[in-house]
Amino acid sequence: AQSVTQLDSQVPVFEEAPVELRCNYSSSVSVYLFWYVQYPNQGLQLLLKYLSGSTLVKGINGFEAEFNKSQTSFHLRKPSVHISDTAEYFCAVRLAGGTSYGKLTFGQGTILTVHP
Amino acid sequence: ETGVTQTPRHLVMGMTNKKSLKCEQHLGHNAMYWYKQSAKKPLELMFVYNFKEQTENNSVPSRFSPECPNSSHLFLHLHTLQPEDSALYLCASSQDELYNEQFFGPGTRLTVL
Repeated sequence: AQSVTQLDSQVPVFEEAPVELRCNYSSSVSVYLFWYVQYPNQGLQLLLKYLSGSTLVKGINGFEAEFNKSQTSFHLRKPSVHISDTAEYFCAVRLAGGTSYGKLTFGQGTILTVHP
Repeated sequence: ETGVTQTPRHLVMGMTNKKSLKCEQHLGHNAMYWYKQSAKKPLELMFVYNFKEQTENNSVPSRFSPECPNSSHLFLHLHTLQPEDSALYLCASSQDELYNEQFFGPGTRLTVL
């Protein structure tokens, strides 16, 4: 079975600073990878996804992530954060192909707090 | 209405009550999901429905009973819950299996007294 570990439960950062949220996964087979964001009192919104192809994936709101197969990582980055980026971020993985229809496995979440 | 909607947004119930959570998607998707989000724990997938058929039951206690009358609606019937069932219950939908981009509703905050 696959698993996801988000290495930081909380990341405080000042506005306009760069940020990296770390995600490592474990799986014996190929996977698809996702980052979701959850703003207070809202559901999850997809930021970006890696299915295949280029290992550098660009998403919404200026975020990007890089898939590193050898290190089994999928870290999320943004070069300059805004106050409005304050939210909880979730890394998720699912098996590529197979019969696990729709089965996403989520990490524990990282709370990003952007200070003025 | 657009996207995925959930009602009610907040629910407080006693352990002997029976209540239902409702989810509706306006995206023309074929798969719908229930997740449980508890404090300091990863999201837990509870149930998956594909074309109205249940394809996943992630060892969920029988006090949670899902119902999917059509591809647009999903219910979660609750009875004799426990205080540890207090959580945010999220509904999601997706178009197909391959890309699996799931669209989430805002959730129902459930408190069991």
